[in-house]
Amino acid sequence: AQKITQTQPGMFVQEKEAVTLDCTYDTSDPSYGLFWYKQPSSGEMIFLIYQGSYDQQNATEGRYSLNFQKARKSANLVISASQLGDSAMYFCAMREWSRGGGFKTIFGAGTRLFVKA
Amino acid sequence: DAGVTQSPTHLIKTRGQHVTLRCSPISGHKSVSWYQQVLGQGPQFIFQYYEKEERGRGNFPDRFSARQFPNYSSELNVNALLLGDSALYLCASSSNLGQGTPANYGYTFGSGTRLTVV
Repeated sequence: AQKITQTQPGMFVQEKEAVTLDCTYDTSDPSYGLFWYKQPSSGEMIFLIYQGSYDQQNATEGRYSLNFQKARKSANLVISASQLGDSAMYFCAMREWSRGGGFKTIFGAGTRLFVKA
Repeated sequence: DAGVTQSPTHLIKTRGQHVTLRCSPISGHKSVSWYQQVLGQGPQFIFQYYEKEERGRGNFPDRFSARQFPNYSSELNVNALLLGDSALYLCASSSNLGQGTPANYGYTFGSGTRLTVV
């Protein structure tokens, strides 16, 4: 069963405008963490923002904010004032605990964002 | 400070061969995780090691194995390579097993090793 769903394979946004990347998740664990990562063409996964399941407020990090709707199990990423350098692949992810006492991160299929000048 | 370093950056192997990928975590980080990212998909969890012990394993065949050394560096080994093993292999290091409050939970990725099996 797919645990992280990103329904937008590709998105276009005009430079300086805001864009929302959608993410829904599925878990029965009351304690979980949600992440967004950016992956430029170089391949490195860059951490953007984190939301804990018990956090009362939506997370914000500079131009990034996370629209967390727990009842709907959605964690959409909002990028304000898009820049050309924001063009990349964006992954929504969820942390789960492993049986061995560690943790793993489950990634969605990603959304490719194109910022137009 | 050096980030997570992976070697080699690119590799071409033939079906049936064996490959070893290496990862050096950030200094002070004791946990290393490995992910496989097939083209066009999100990364898939393979292993996590902490203090030289395996702490998590994803749904990968026994052809995949890993280990962590006393200096916390790690190797991922893949035997009997198949064409489907062609992917970007990412290593991520973290300082602990996710305890505590840092928002990032200390997860820092390397740039990956791109493996092509022909």
